[in-house]
Amino acid sequence: QSVLTQPPSASGTSGQRVAISCSGNSSNIGRNAANWYQQLSGTAPKLLIYGDNQRPSGVPDRFSGSKSGTSASLAISGLQSEDEADYYCAAWDDSLNGWVFGGGTKVTVL
Amino acid sequence: QVQLVQSGAEVKRPGSSVKVSCKTSGGTFSTYTISWVRQAPGQGLEWMGRIIPIADITNYGQKFQGRVTITADKSTSTAYMELSSLRSDDTAVYYCARHGPADVTWFDPWGQGTVVAVSS
Repeated sequence: QSVLTQPPSASGTSGQRVAISCSGNSSNIGRNAANWYQQLSGTAPKLLIYGDNQRPSGVPDRFSGSKSGTSASLAISGLQSEDEADYYCAAWDDSLNGWVFGGGTKVTVL
Repeated sequence: QVQLVQSGAEVKRPGSSVKVSCKTSGGTFSTYTISWVRQAPGQGLEWMGRIIPIADITNYGQKFQGRVTITADKSTSTAYMELSSLRSDDTAVYYCARHGPADVTWFDPWGQGTVVAVSS
């Protein structure tokens, strides 16, 4: 059971918009920044969004992040086939004194 | 460009220990926190612990307290994660990751991962 809650799957056709939620509490997302990681099949995770809504250099602007209260969200606009991957949210948890992850969301392009 | 290169795959017996290394190249080592994260087959990511090399400060996830030891060798820019009393459910890919410019920021970049298989 992950501390952060994500839907196990999400899907869309090419060009559609997909959104993934990440629910936490006042000790993690409610107090600290949310980060998102993309993991393509068989590879190491890669930073996708940091500080709730910042994109690292090289990440396409179709990826965006937002946060409200104790929930964060990742949106993929203009879904492309290469976006098929697992997506994880993460945040520091002040009560656990450690990093916590969501269970991951598998995005499928139909 | 900063790169984290990890040691190779390991096969271990239950009850033994494993030590995985993570060498940083292309950037400063001592002032950046290194975390270890593992991923069991078909499962999600799980944070194990972290080290701040310049201060030799560590802290570990509650699940791994007493079984994991994270160290750093500043002379070789290498971090290590040792897990003891291995069980079959420790079979996983183990990743190291460097934090951003402050401790509580983000993980970037990640190492390529080290497969650890525990089997009798």
